[in-house]
Amino acid sequence: QVQLQESGPGLVKPSGTLSLTCAVSGGSISSSNWWSWVRQPPGKGLEWIGEIYHSESTNYNPSLKSRVTISVDKSKNQFSLKLSSVTAADTAVYYCAREAAAGYGMDVWGQGTTVTVSS
Amino acid sequence: DIQMTQSPSTLSASVGDRVTITCRASQSISSWLAWYQQKPGKAPKVLIYKASSLESGVPSRFSGSGSGTEFTLTISSLQPDDFATYYCQQYKDYSRTFGQGTKVEIK
Repeated sequence: QVQLQESGPGLVKPSGTLSLTCAVSGGSISSSNWWSWVRQPPGKGLEWIGEIYHSESTNYNPSLKSRVTISVDKSKNQFSLKLSSVTAADTAVYYCAREAAAGYGMDVWGQGTTVTVSS
Repeated sequence: DIQMTQSPSTLSASVGDRVTITCRASQSISSWLAWYQQKPGKAPKVLIYKASSLESGVPSRFSGSGSGTEFTLTISSLQPDDFATYYCQQYKDYSRTFGQGTKVEIK
């Protein structure tokens, strides 16, 4: 079955760029799925960041759109998140997830990776 | 942006209780709604999609209903494994928004 694994630095300096990668195993990133990033600040709820299709079509949360880039690397079967100009408010657990098809909910999730923004 | 509002924020219940959580959308989302369960330190798990379709492997005590702007998640008989936080999530017009969550606690 499909599994997702996030990776990237756990500490990012304020004003810097947060970069994470989600490796897809057990399936192809070129399948008919949307691949999403979701985050959860400590003790708070879930926030959708954005998503990408293998065709490289993307949709972003309007509140983050100016700072977010999601890309796909088909050769490595992975997709990535870049969030620029980070502040302490971007400290969160970051999850990658698969949406089986539009409207089917996110049925596969990574375990999550904690990113702290601090100097 | 479509806003999702869940109620209540916290719910205290006992094993065996029937539990209902409500989610309201700021505009019509047809049936484009999913429900998730999240336990501390774990990733969310999808329970319901398209407002009322049960995800494979999810116990039948979970059910979803509604369309347009008002939706409900019902647990027919609360089990010990069900104490968790529940989130609704809309997907319409190439955007996704989560509700703020409902924590189901032991009474």
